[in-house]
Amino acid sequence: EIVLTQSPGTLSLSPGERVTLSCRASETIHTRFLAWFQQKPGQAPRLLIYEVSTRATGIPDRFSGSGSGSDFTLTISRLEPEDFALYYCQLYQTPITFGGGTKVEIK
Amino acid sequence: DVLLVQSGAEVKRPGESLTISCEASGYDFSAYWINWVRQMPGKGLEWMGRIDPSDSFIDYSPSFQGRVTISTDTSLKTAYLRLTRLKASDTATYYCARHYSSANPLDFWGQGTLVTVSS
Repeated sequence: EIVLTQSPGTLSLSPGERVTLSCRASETIHTRFLAWFQQKPGQAPRLLIYEVSTRATGIPDRFSGSGSGSDFTLTISRLEPEDFALYYCQLYQTPITFGGGTKVEIK
Repeated sequence: DVLLVQSGAEVKRPGESLTISCEASGYDFSAYWINWVRQMPGKGLEWMGRIDPSDSFIDYSPSFQGRVTISTDTSLKTAYLRLTRLKASDTATYYCARHYSSANPLDFWGQGTLVTVSS
């Protein structure tokens, strides 16, 4: 089973800043079945990005995904107040696995 | 609109069993797998397993195989997660989520069901 490691665990940033979140796989991923989710307290996860770099319906273009092999990133170009949340990467080939998450908090 | 509506919060004693439901609407229920995901308090997301409603084929995560049963009732457009021999460590929020296939992401999620196991 492929293990996804997200770093850092927590980021303290200000609105307007650019943020890059990392997701590293324990081995090379030969598909593009890598997604990113946002989760706010008390809410279900929301799909942001799938197939490494495709934005889900309704997701603003300040969110972008990239990567290949075993290294993947989620970038938020300019943090908006509503972007402070938990972010998870996920490999959706079976068995489905999630990274441990990165919390983006207000500095 | 696609909706997955889960049953309400539960409080159970250790050793008991429970079943959580996930009712789908707004799409062809049989065309999408239903996945179950656990989130323990303050922790990350863990995939438990999934079911194809069209033929009831099930994939269980090795971490959850044994005390977990996933099923569907296509006439009710509802998926179920049954947990037996509950332990305090089963205290968590459980989510259902759909995807079209292994090549597609989990695109719609239920609101979550909080399960508390306490003596």
